Amino acid sequence: QVQLVESGGGVVQPGRSLRLSCAASGFTFTSHALHWVRQAPGKGLEWVAVISYDGSRRQYGDFVKGRFTISRDNSENTAYLQMNRLRPEDTALYYCVRDRSIMGSTLLDHWGRGVLVTVSS
Amino acid sequence: DIQMTQSPSSLSASVGDRVTITCQASQDIRMYLNWYQQKPGRAPSLLIYDASNLERGVPSRFSGSGFGTYFTFTISSLQPEDIATYYCQQYEKVPLTFGGGTKVEIK
Repeated sequence: QVQLVESGGGVVQPGRSLRLSCAASGFTFTSHALHWVRQAPGKGLEWVAVISYDGSRRQYGDFVKGRFTISRDNSENTAYLQMNRLRPEDTALYYCVRDRSIMGSTLLDHWGRGVLVTVSS
Repeated sequence: DIQMTQSPSSLSASVGDRVTITCQASQDIRMYLNWYQQKPGRAPSLLIYDASNLERGVPSRFSGSGFGTYFTFTISSLQPEDIATYYCQQYEKVPLTFGGGTKVEIK
């Protein structure tokens, strides 16, 4: 079955960096775009970024403002989210999500369990 | 960015009731609207895609309709396991945007 397992979260000070990983299994990794979606504590869903199946297309939410980079390693079936210059408002549960299409962005058909990022001094 | 306005933000209904949630887009999104269910403490899951198509394995009591800027999501007969927050999401344009969510509770 499709599995997306996030890791790399934790507590980090404002202005520091963190890299999230998403290990995928149970499907053909190179046949799907991948997203990161976040959810602040007690709040709704906010789209962060998408990367196409081959990494050629990457798009970001407006709030990212050049601070985050999405990437993928198709040889390792893993996606990443490099987050720099973190702010307290980036505190959230970050979900890795599979897109049904190869280029994205369409429908988000499988979600990981999420990894918690807390930005606090 | 396309704004998605969902209503109500919460509702309480009895088991067996018909429940309807609406989602309004700030511009025409054609049929590019999905609905997700998020149960407490769990990740969201896809229920409806392209406004009205039921995802595989989703019970038929869930349905969706609409086109353009106005969409509805219906649970024909509310069950205890339907307690969750429901979100609409558009994919006409990037950035993908979600509605604010509707929390459904049992009366």
